[in-house]
Amino acid sequence: QVQLVQSGAEVKKPGASVKVSCKASGYTFTNYGVTWVRQAPGQGLEWMGWISPYSGHTRYARHLQGRVTMTTDTSTTTAYLELKSLKSDDTAVYYCARDESEVTPRGNWFDPWGQGTLVTVSS
Amino acid sequence: QSVLTQPPSASGTPGQRVTISCSGSSSNIGTNTVQWYQQLPGTAPKLLIYRNDQRPSGVPDRFSGSKSVTSASLAISGLRSEDEADYYCEAWDDSLNGRLFGGGTKVTVL
Repeated sequence: QVQLVQSGAEVKKPGASVKVSCKASGYTFTNYGVTWVRQAPGQGLEWMGWISPYSGHTRYARHLQGRVTMTTDTSTTTAYLELKSLKSDDTAVYYCARDESEVTPRGNWFDPWGQGTLVTVSS
Repeated sequence: QSVLTQPPSASGTPGQRVTISCSGSSSNIGTNTVQWYQQLPGTAPKLLIYRNDQRPSGVPDRFSGSKSVTSASLAISGLRSEDEADYYCEAWDDSLNGRLFGGGTKVTVL
């Protein structure tokens, strides 16, 4: 079955970087995009960006540009999210999700989602 | 204006019909499709409705979506205890050139 399995929880200090992985299985990895969404404790969902494993094209949320990098490794069907210069308000559960389109991030839906990765930023 | 507005909470008794609204603007709901996601406590979100009113396989037909101009709605009929969850609307926003989530609505079954 289609499945996304994410890496384990991380604890980082302010100013550090974190890299979260998302291993996809059960479908042709390059036929879909990957979207990243995060959720701060007790808060709602926040879209971070999208990547096409087929082309490598990315689209990032404006407020994260410059700090976020999304990549994929098609040989291992794994997507990666790297966030730099971490701040305390980056503390959140980070989710990857299969995005319906590998061509554009617009007008699609996310299904299924990974189990989430808790990233805690604390000194 | 790049924001999707949902009521923070909604409730009903078992068997009732509950409706959740999602208010947007011409830059998001007005020109793009709306999705709805269900997040049960302590779990990852799950796709409930896509392209305004389409249900993925496996989603009960008690859940239905609709869209009119710059607003969308999610209706849950025959409310059940297992429907207690947070519900989020989502759409692409042309001004942001990115995706927007509503603030979420917590549904309580009384």
